[in-house]
Amino acid sequence: AQSVAQPEDQVNVAEGNPLTVKCTYSVSGNPYLFWYVQYPNRGLQFLLKYITGDNLVKGSYGFEAEFNKSQTSFHLKKPSALVSDSALYFCAVRDTWDSNYQLIWGAGTKLIIKP
Amino acid sequence: SQTIHQWPATLVQPVGSPLSLECTVEGTSNPNLYWYRQAAGRGLQLLFYSVGIGQISSEVPQNLSASRPQDRQFILSSKKLLLSDSGFYLCAWSPLLAGSTDTQYFGPGTRLTVL
Repeated sequence: AQSVAQPEDQVNVAEGNPLTVKCTYSVSGNPYLFWYVQYPNRGLQFLLKYITGDNLVKGSYGFEAEFNKSQTSFHLKKPSALVSDSALYFCAVRDTWDSNYQLIWGAGTKLIIKP
Repeated sequence: SQTIHQWPATLVQPVGSPLSLECTVEGTSNPNLYWYRQAAGRGLQLLFYSVGIGQISSEVPQNLSASRPQDRQFILSSKKLLLSDSGFYLCAWSPLLAGSTDTQYFGPGTRLTVL
């Protein structure tokens, strides 16, 4: 069955330190993988996606994510965290073997950056 | 460029009252459209999706319904609201194109409180 896991409910990082938000997935076929960010009382904003090719994907606001097929992971990273990065982060996957148009969503990880 | 609108931004309704939330997309044609509900600022629950006018798929049986009267208009309705319908309702669209990666783009959301 298709699934996405974000094992950390919350991640706390000091400003200026590197951050990682974890995501693992399970699909039958090849995955399309996505990261979104949500600020309080706002809609989700698309950050980046992996479709094919280079395993390291760069996105908005200095974020990047690394696709690891053997570990079925797609962790979100940033070299130096900003207080403004504090938000809720969602990982999502589309199974390319699935004929519907849906994304499977993780439960979200709250990222808190402390000054 | 494409934009997605939702209204109202906030809504407070009594139990048993009707509901109508509207979502419109500009700058694209034949989009896939989605309604999600987000409870307690966390996970996303897909309620409905549509691949064309009059074509609605329901993911969760409930007292909500959706309609797509025009290509870029998606409406979420209820005849009688329940307390459990409170939440943050998000509309999203994705391109309906061959080879599309199904990136979804979200509206600003509607905060519904049922009292």
